Order: sequence, then C-alpha cells, then structure tokens
Amino acid sequence: DTEVTQTPKHLVMGMTNKKSLKCEQHMGHRAMYWYKQKAKKPPELMFVYSYEKLSINESVPSRFSPECPNSSLLNLHLHALQPEDSALYLCASSQDRVVGNEQFFGPGTRLTVL
Amino acid sequence: SQQGEEDPQALSIQEGENATMNCSYKTSINNLQWYRQNSGRGLVHLILIRSNEREKHSGRLRVTLDTSKKSSSLLITASRAADTASYFCATDASGTYKYIFGTGTRLKVLA
Repeated sequence: DTEVTQTPKHLVMGMTNKKSLKCEQHMGHRAMYWYKQKAKKPPELMFVYSYEKLSINESVPSRFSPECPNSSLLNLHLHALQPEDSALYLCASSQDRVVGNEQFFGPGTRLTVL
Repeated sequence: SQQGEEDPQALSIQEGENATMNCSYKTSINNLQWYRQNSGRGLVHLILIRSNEREKHSGRLRVTLDTSKKSSSLLITASRAADTASYFCATDASGTYKYIFGTGTRLKVLA
C-alpha cells in the first residue's frame, strides 16, 4: 500500500469553529509532514514529525496544532482560523527524515474559512 | 530564501513536442527532486538527483543538475495531453533536513 489518505476532502468552517484534518499512511514511514498550498503557489512546509515527535515547526501560528498519535496517523487541529488560512492542506510521508527520501503526498484537504 | 525559482511560469506546447522547464536555487544542496501536481491534487514524485550527479533519466524524463550554476532542468520528451500539470522542483539546503519547493511551471499539452 503506497497511499497516503486524507480526510475530509473538503472542509468549510467558520472562524469560531474547531475542526481537525486527518492523514494516514500504512507504508511504515517514520516521517510525516503538513504543507499548506495557496492557489498557483508552491506547497509551504508547516510541520515535520519524525518518529512521532515534532521536529520542525516553521513558525506556524498556534491556531494550527499538529498531533501524531502513532506512526501511521497525523492530525492537524484547527481553531479560530482566519479567512486567509483558506488553502489546500497536504499531508506527506517519507521513510524517514533523512533528505534524499521520496515524499508520498495525500490528495489534500481543501479548506475554506468563512 | 532557499526557494527555487522556476521558469517558465507557464508553458503551452503541442502533443508530441518536448517540454523543458528550469529550476534555479540559492544555496548549496544535497539533493534536488522534481514533483508533478495535477490540478488541485497531491504531488507525485518524479525523480531525485543527488548533488554529485549531473544527469538522470526515467522513462520520458531527463533531469540535469549544474551545481556550479545552482540550476536544474527537467525535460519531458514526446509530451502527451496527460502530462498537463504543474511541475515543482524541491531543494534541500545542506543541513536543514527539509525540502523547499520552487515556484512551479504550469505545463499545458494540447492534443
């Protein structure tokens, strides 16, 4: 199984809502990533988890809260978002955090904040 | 910023023609990867080239790397309509353990 799955595919939320994005992989990968992508822009790295521990936080606002419950799952908890946070949120995984490993991407969650 | 810049930003060609897109970056790297993204979907890894390599091939793809010029190119030969997508290079600045994506080239292959 070489697939990264993400749920939901689409999410619309108000600025006062709390929601979560979920990502799952069963490839035995030990590094997992969250990226944010605005329209016609490249993906921007948000967080990196290595062996279930947060290893990189790219100065992301605290209204985004990542969680890695186990080696297969990655969550992104959302609270009090702003309309400018509307974007495609991509999850990825790789064998480990060593550069030189291919990243496998999920299809993304398209988030709209009203 | 480490971010790679790609050119052209957009490219439109006829089916069967070759497509070339370029990536330039600013700091020394260990590896450079190319990814494809179909409209609004996840990215698909195409090819990785290490800093000590100059050229790699994979099917209809040919990637070159010139570390002295801090640039790479992706050539897609005999393009097909299904190659229509955005193409991104991703570079890892030495010692950072993360990839930064370039600005991307939007390729349109006309049938």
